[in-house]
Formats: sequence, C-alpha cells, structure tokens
Amino acid sequence: AQRVTQPEKLLSVFKGAPVELKCNYSYSGSPELFWYVQYSRQRLQLLLRHISRESIKGFTADLNKGETSFHLKKPFAQEEDSAMYYCALSGAYNQGGKLIFGQGTELSVKP
Amino acid sequence: DAGVTQSPTHLIKTRGQQVTLRCSPISGHKSVSWYQQVLGQGPQFIFQYYEKEERGRGNFPDRFSARQFPNYSSELNVNALLLGDSALYLCASSFLDTLNTEAFFGQGTRLTVV
Repeated sequence: AQRVTQPEKLLSVFKGAPVELKCNYSYSGSPELFWYVQYSRQRLQLLLRHISRESIKGFTADLNKGETSFHLKKPFAQEEDSAMYYCALSGAYNQGGKLIFGQGTELSVKP
Repeated sequence: DAGVTQSPTHLIKTRGQQVTLRCSPISGHKSVSWYQQVLGQGPQFIFQYYEKEERGRGNFPDRFSARQFPNYSSELNVNALLLGDSALYLCASSFLDTLNTEAFFGQGTRLTVV
C-alpha cells in the first residue's frame, strides 16, 4: 500500500533550536518525495523535493531508501517557520499529478 | 498570473443536494488534480485530469465526478451530498510534459454540508 506517515501532529520548539519533522513512507517502486508547507492563511506550496537536493529557507531533507524516510531538518528554527508541513510522495514520472500526503505536522516556533 | 483559482471559496449545501466546484489552472498547465482535505488530515487525492482525460482516480465513491475542458479548467461534481463530504476541496495544476514535478495549489473551496 502507498502511504505516508508523519508521526507528530504538533512539534513545538524555541527559536534557534534544531528542528526535525519526521516522515516515513511505504511505496513499491521508486517514489518521488516532497515537503509542502502551508503558512497561516496561505495556500499549500512546495518547500522542497528530494530530486533537487537543494536547501530552501534553511531546510533540507534526505531520502533514506533503506529506512523509507524523508525527514525534514533545519539547524536553527525561526519564528517565521511556524506552519503546517506535509510530506508527500508521487510515483516516479508522475510529475505532480497524484500526490499522497501524510496527515501533516504543525510546527510552532516560540520566541 | 493569479495562480490556480478556485470558485466558490465557501458554500453551504444540504444533505442530498449536488455541488459543482470549479478550478482554473495556471496558464500553460495541462494537468489538474483534485484533493479533499478533512479537518486535521492531509489532502486526499480524488482525481487527476490531463488533456481532458482522466489519468487517475482515488478511493472515492461514484458520487464524485470531474471533467476538464479544452481550456484546461476543471469542474468537480459531487452528487447526493453527505455530512461527511464537508471538507476543504483543493485543486492543483502542474506541467505533465516536462520533468518539472511541482504541483501548484489553489486556495480551496470550503464545503459545508448540513
């Protein structure tokens, strides 16, 4: 079965602390993994994808095929990082057409 | 470019009624996908359309249907509404003729069934 699991519904950290949002997936084949973010009163938007291997707003995520994980990390959290974060996958070459989302993790960064 | 636009933004319907939600993709995007997001959950895939043809369907009953028009806009129809259909309905558009895999989402339509 294709599934994305985000074990934490809420993650609360202080400004400047490291952040790790966990994501595990189940997929038979080679999926493409994404992190989407939704800031307050804004639409869902792409934060990063594993194939680009880039750092966006200080966030990075490494695909670990052995552990079927795609955890999102940032060394020093900022208050503006507070948002809902969704991990998602699609089949290879699906090109964004069908995404399977996790239930989301709300990140709260306190001053 | 205004991005993906959805209409209406909110609506309230009665059980048993039918509803049509509309989506206009970003100019040049040929793929439109629909998602249902129930409060506290992640978006759940309903349909994908590309070049007016259905490319994928999620685990939703036949009460849900959709179509895509020649200008790539799309409609999602839900018949015989149930209270459980109350949710935020999201539309996303993307390229399907390149390796660009980003899906761009609209603001959503909040449907309340009473």
